[in-house]
Amino acid sequence: GQNIDQPTEMTATEGAIVQINCTYQTSGFNGLFWYQQHAGEAPTFLSYNVLDGLEEKGRFSSFLSRSKGYSYLLLKELQMKDSASYLCAVMGDYKLSFGAGTTVTVRA
Amino acid sequence: KAGVTQTPRYLIKTRGQQVTLSCSPISGHRSVSWYQQTPGQGLQFLFEYFSETQRNKGNFPGRFSGRQFSNSRSEMNVSTLELGDSALYLCASSLVGGQANTGELFFGEGSRLTVL
Repeated sequence: GQNIDQPTEMTATEGAIVQINCTYQTSGFNGLFWYQQHAGEAPTFLSYNVLDGLEEKGRFSSFLSRSKGYSYLLLKELQMKDSASYLCAVMGDYKLSFGAGTTVTVRA
Repeated sequence: KAGVTQTPRYLIKTRGQQVTLSCSPISGHRSVSWYQQTPGQGLQFLFEYFSETQRNKGNFPGRFSGRQFSNSRSEMNVSTLELGDSALYLCASSLVGGQANTGELFFGEGSRLTVL
């Protein structure tokens, strides 16, 4: 099975940068994903990493190190609308398993 | 293009009853996955269907079952409901799913089940 760990909560100021770490253990690794979920809404896809390195997409970047079982999601130039839960998910053995999520609160 | 549609959005049941939830994926998507979301456990994988076949299953008891129809619509059923089954049940669709899946699941708004 998969074991996925990420911090429960993080708080940051508008305009700042926040890094959400995710560590995982899995068999048959086939990719790591980040999803964003606003309160009361469905999760939406943010990023996908299958090779080591950094993937940049606008204000959001995601990094993967397969040898370390480690990923992070970097949110730059934080905006109030970025307040949400960020879910780390790992594809292994044909299953996409999610971490418990990190609730990010952006303060003015 | 219509998104993933789940019905009903909210429902209340009592212990021992059974419930059926429905999911209509995005047109053209053949893979449908079901997840249970609770505040303490996060998103837990229930099962995935592709072309009417269950391709993968999570670690849930046999009371949880599902099926997929030829038009890719899917249903999940929970029998003999327990208090702990209270949760948000999310359905997600993707084009192919499984190992070919790039992870871009499209989620519905969910069905919130309360068991009293």
